[in-house]
Amino acid sequence: AQKVTQAQTEISVVEKEDVTLDCVYETRDTTYYLFWYKQPPSGELVFLIRRNSFDEQNEISGRYSWNFQKSTSSFNFTITASQVVDSAVYFCALSERIQGAQKLVFGQGTRLTINP
Amino acid sequence: DVKVTQSSRYLVKRTGEKVFLECVQDMDHENMFWYRQDPGLGLRLIYFSYDVKMKEKGDIPEGYSVSREKKERFSLILESASTNQTSMYLCASSFHGVTDNQPQHFGDGTRLSIL
Repeated sequence: AQKVTQAQTEISVVEKEDVTLDCVYETRDTTYYLFWYKQPPSGELVFLIRRNSFDEQNEISGRYSWNFQKSTSSFNFTITASQVVDSAVYFCALSERIQGAQKLVFGQGTRLTINP
Repeated sequence: DVKVTQSSRYLVKRTGEKVFLECVQDMDHENMFWYRQDPGLGLRLIYFSYDVKMKEKGDIPEGYSVSREKKERFSLILESASTNQTSMYLCASSFHGVTDNQPQHFGDGTRLSIL
């Protein structure tokens, strides 16, 4: 069965520190997608990134970067020079295709607090 | 921008009541989803729909049903609300990607309390 594990329940750092959120997944599919979502205090989940299992290139978007390693089944997310606005709950998710729709399996989430 | 709108941000109901949670999306997405979010458990899929009048059970469908009469609207129904259904409910929608998995877009959530 598909499974996503975010072992860090809560992380608290001081502003401007770098922080890495871990994500480990389990799947028997050879083709799959991985996602990261951000949930700020307002509640809505905001899509951050989607990664195809065939594309192991790391990705950088501003202060955000993602490290996908198929050998260790991990898809970690790093925020460089963190800011207070980065405070949120972050979810890693793995896709499973069912009946033509994409079903997401979510990790438990990591609550990130950036202190001024 | 994709807009997924849930009818209520906060809702309080009583045990045994029939509860309707409504979700509307404006991007002509084929797929729609209902999740519940509980502390320490992340998001869990209740039901999803990949077309009008089609529905599929997710991981935790017990105690819930859904309705999709129109493409833009997906309703979650608690047939007889119980206190263990107190939770945050999130609706999402996505395109039906033929060759890849399109990201899901989420509404703001409905925080439902059953007393």
